[in-house]
Amino acid sequence: GQSLEQPSEVTAVEGAIVQINCTYQTSGFYGLSWYQQHDGGAPTFLSYNALDGLEETGRFSSFLSRSDSYGYLLLQELQMKDSASYFCAVRTGGFKTIFGAGTRLFVKA
Amino acid sequence: NAGVTQTPKFRVLKTGQSMTLLCAQDMNHEYMYWYRQDPGMGLRLIHYSVGEGTTAKGEVPDGYNVSRLKKQNFLLGLESAAPSQTSVYFCASSPGDSSYEQYFGPGTRLTVT
Repeated sequence: GQSLEQPSEVTAVEGAIVQINCTYQTSGFYGLSWYQQHDGGAPTFLSYNALDGLEETGRFSSFLSRSDSYGYLLLQELQMKDSASYFCAVRTGGFKTIFGAGTRLFVKA
Repeated sequence: NAGVTQTPKFRVLKTGQSMTLLCAQDMNHEYMYWYRQDPGMGLRLIHYSVGEGTTAKGEVPDGYNVSRLKKQNFLLGLESAAPSQTSVYFCASSPGDSSYEQYFGPGTRLTVT
């Protein structure tokens, strides 16, 4: 079967750095995406990695290692507004995307 | 641009009733998707469409039907609702084959009693 594994919860302090890991096992792989979702809101796109390495977008960075079927999202200079759920998602063949169960990030003052 | 819109925002159904959820996008996107989100399970793909007049099954298609008669609209139907279909339903769209970013609507919270 296909699966994506990510931690269910992470807690960090305002101003700190936090890393959310994602390991995947899928029948096809075109790329790894990350989405943010605040309570009651819709998922919003954060980043995408198709090739190995680090992609940086402001305070957020995302890393991919295809040989290890592993990626992570790195959030720097944490702010209270970063408290949300973060989903990794793999784009498989046939225009489909498989989502992980999500990691709930709590940012404390 | 409104982006992706969904109607209704909330709905309560009795078991066995039917309903249609409407998704509309004004970005001229080719691909559209319907997901359901249940607590602790992330988003699961129900059906998707790669263009006007086309539809395909996702991970959890049973109990749902879809139609894409117009490029901008993607309808999700429940013919005979069941309590197991209580969920939050999200519609999403993306531009085309090489695109990876999906744009999500605000969601429809459906309760089946």
